Amino acid sequence: GESVGLHLPTLSVQEGDNSIINCAYSNSASDYFIWYKQESGKGPQFIIDIRSNMDKRQGQRVTVLLNKTVKHLSLQIAATQPGDSAVYFCAEPRVGSGSARQLTFGSGTQLTVLP
Amino acid sequence: SQTIHQWPATLVQPVGSPLSLECTVEGTSNPNLYWYRQAAGRGLQLLFYSVGIGQISSEVPQNLSASRPQDRQFILSSKKLLLSDSGFYLCACTDRVGEQFFGPGTRLTVL
Repeated sequence: GESVGLHLPTLSVQEGDNSIINCAYSNSASDYFIWYKQESGKGPQFIIDIRSNMDKRQGQRVTVLLNKTVKHLSLQIAATQPGDSAVYFCAEPRVGSGSARQLTFGSGTQLTVLP
Repeated sequence: SQTIHQWPATLVQPVGSPLSLECTVEGTSNPNLYWYRQAAGRGLQLLFYSVGIGQISSEVPQNLSASRPQDRQFILSSKKLLLSDSGFYLCACTDRVGEQFFGPGTRLTVL
């Protein structure tokens, strides 16, 4: 079946370096993706989203890149800080019955920022 | 902006006991509401969603049920808990734009 959010499970970076977290998806019809950050013991927090009519979107210290040709997206975090340590998920919404938007999550990438 | 409340924050229950987790939402009306479960080190699995009062859709067959007695209240229940019901339970809602927000979660341990 279709899947999204095929992540590498862990990533360690030095404080101040840039982080790149990758995500692959299989459904070529996917048109919207969301990145979430989940700190230990907390619910996921929205970071940034991107639609398929874009190949890049920037936020505060974060950039998401979408490559529809190879069905890959990445989250780049500039000047990684200790507070960035968390699990990062990419998710794809799909519309269920009514107007319910359901998210399909992968297993996530644990980002560890080293001092 | 919306705020999602979940309680309790943590819960330890024996196998075979009943369960009731509550989620309430503030700052929005007619939200779509969701229950997810997250096993340790894993992604989120959608359990139930609701587009309105009394309307519940189940994504996976399981030992749990959900109810929506009020517009901004979503309840997850079980009559008899199993060991496999342990996990981190997250309530979420979707705003008018379609962005999904999550509550703080309930950590359930079944012993």
